[in-house]
Amino acid sequence: EAQVTQNPRYLITVTGKKLTVTCSQNMNHEYMSWYRQDPGLGLRQIYYSMNVEVTDKGDVPEGYKVSRKEKRNFPLILESPSPNQTSLYFCASSPRFGRGGETQYFGPGTRLLVL
Amino acid sequence: GDSVTQMEGPVTLSEEAFLTINCTYTATGYPSLFWYVQYPGEGLQLLLKATKADDKGSNKGFEATYRKETTSFHLEKGSVQVSDSAVYFCALSQAGRRALTFGSGTRLQVQP
Repeated sequence: EAQVTQNPRYLITVTGKKLTVTCSQNMNHEYMSWYRQDPGLGLRQIYYSMNVEVTDKGDVPEGYKVSRKEKRNFPLILESPSPNQTSLYFCASSPRFGRGGETQYFGPGTRLLVL
Repeated sequence: GDSVTQMEGPVTLSEEAFLTINCTYTATGYPSLFWYVQYPGEGLQLLLKATKADDKGSNKGFEATYRKETTSFHLEKGSVQVSDSAVYFCALSQAGRRALTFGSGTRLQVQP
């Protein structure tokens, strides 16, 4: 089954404790992206990757890191989480992106609470 | 920059009622427009899309028409079901831009 998976689905942590949220897709997509969803704000992009070893900042990258060492995986790293990073996070992928009209495929989401 | 504005929710309807969720956008050029749906506890999934003016996207009884003159992409369904209860997001993408621009989402609650 074609899908985007994320782990963990739920996470409670404390300020400053490094964490990684994994994202994997089995569709051989070139493009992958991370969004955060906050009430009243919709989804905002954190980072994206056009292909292996090619990553760039989205609209809200502060406090996050990413890497793309393999085509299928795109982990999101919070080196020192803070309470304002409490949010619902979604990973997304697409065969390509940037020409307009491409559909993105979303993972099930990771709900993070930083105390 | 680009932006998408959706009507605030929640929208509460009875089963078989007519649904309209308004969406307007601000963008330069000719964006593509999308409706994504998020069912409880799940990720977003594409509901329908339109890539040029006057195109109509449709899926599962939902429809939306790309109106460039009014910069709108309103979502409609003639007869909603309880299973349509979800959060609906309007979004746009632009050639050369590496992200979707989302509206804030509209929660739909359909009562039996």
